[in-house]
Amino acid sequence: AQSVTQLDSQVPVFEEAPVELRCNYSSSVSVYLFWYVQYPNQGLQLLLKYLSGSTLVKGINGFEAEFNKSQTSFHLRKPSVHISDTAEYFCAVIPSGGSNYKLTFGKGTLLTVNP
Amino acid sequence: EAGVVQSPRYKIIEKKQPVAFWCNPISGHNTLYWYLQNLGQGPELLIRYENEEAVDDSQLPKDRFSAERLKGVDSTLKIQPAELGDSAVYLCASSHGQGAINTGELFFGEGSRLTVL
Repeated sequence: AQSVTQLDSQVPVFEEAPVELRCNYSSSVSVYLFWYVQYPNQGLQLLLKYLSGSTLVKGINGFEAEFNKSQTSFHLRKPSVHISDTAEYFCAVIPSGGSNYKLTFGKGTLLTVNP
Repeated sequence: EAGVVQSPRYKIIEKKQPVAFWCNPISGHNTLYWYLQNLGQGPELLIRYENEEAVDDSQLPKDRFSAERLKGVDSTLKIQPAELGDSAVYLCASSHGQGAINTGELFFGEGSRLTVL
């Protein structure tokens, strides 16, 4: 079984400041990793994903994340945030092989960008 | 192209009443998912369909929850009778093929927020 821990439930930052949202996972098998974003009153949409290859992945809206296998982490970063980045961010994992198609989400981190 | 459509967006009912949620996936997406999202929590899978077949319903509380996907397109999730603890957001998602989940290509609807009084 897999589990995802998002270490911060809320992260308040000022506009144009850098931000890091932390995600750690636990799994006995190799996994694929994802970050989803949920804007207020909207559904979730895929922000970025790590499947294989370069451990630094870039997503939409200037976000990037780095996969660290030894630390079982997949932290999300943005060098300069905007008001419009205010949203809930979810880290998720799925086994990379076999037929287990269950996507496991973390509890989410609410990013609030203040002017 | 239209996204995943869910209705109703909001529903308020009294406990012990029935409620139903409807989902229309993206055209051509044969895999459909229902997720439950409690306040302050991440989504949790309730059921996954491949066309009209429920291939994973292990997390669906079958004593009061039921789902169907007739003709492998639209889907309905029903709760009867509803309990106070069922207050949550019910999310529908779809993907093109079961392998698509491995690339994270799930497309979510806006959700149906249920309040049970």
